[in-house]
Amino acid sequence: DAKTTQPNSMESNEEEPVHLPCNHSTISGTDYIHWYRQLPSQGPEYVIHGLTSNVNNRMASLAIAEDRKSSTLILHRATLRDAAVYYCILRDPISGGYQKVTFGTGTKLQVIP
Amino acid sequence: EPEVTQTPSHQVTQMGQEVILRCVPISNHLYFYWYRQILGQKVEFLVSFYNNEISEKSEIFDDQFSVERPDGSNFTLKIRSTKLEDSAMYFCASSQQGNMNTEAFFGQGTRLTVV
Repeated sequence: DAKTTQPNSMESNEEEPVHLPCNHSTISGTDYIHWYRQLPSQGPEYVIHGLTSNVNNRMASLAIAEDRKSSTLILHRATLRDAAVYYCILRDPISGGYQKVTFGTGTKLQVIP
Repeated sequence: EPEVTQTPSHQVTQMGQEVILRCVPISNHLYFYWYRQILGQKVEFLVSFYNNEISEKSEIFDDQFSVERPDGSNFTLKIRSTKLEDSAMYFCASSQQGNMNTEAFFGQGTRLTVV
């Protein structure tokens, strides 16, 4: 999968919105932008994904820049349960294969009560 | 909500022994995966499985590893002769389709400790 760059860690206050950035300047036109998270001592959990347009679901929103070289995962109201490592992943058919998800180091989000 | 279940949650085995890790994927999913995460490291892809055969595998997935779907519900990972470096969390995952526009659902993992 193509390379993404995320901050190692971020902090947020409980009940405040959180914007988690991701840079993917080498994205190609067929790459999907996926976000997963991993809560402490748990398996990865799918959050959201998109191609070109902004996406919303019950967990979060995904804002994709017009040139697609960056994206932002938005948690509208952080709770303590949202403390996790968040992974921004590009899925492309060339280097990543059709099926596997390639995890990086992600952003560790700390939520402060 | 449907979920991927894994058993056991923790397995301790002696070096050189065979282990089988078990998973029950989500019932209408067709693609199945194993990943592992060594303590403090990234989640790594091992293998994907579709239509009763391996469709992709990583360099980690060598001859010591095998996967099987012995019946309509279970998906297993076997390590023939465990090594100390096989100690890790092993995650099973499944998805409805096998393309980039599909999310994967992960289980809670099996912690394998090789002593």
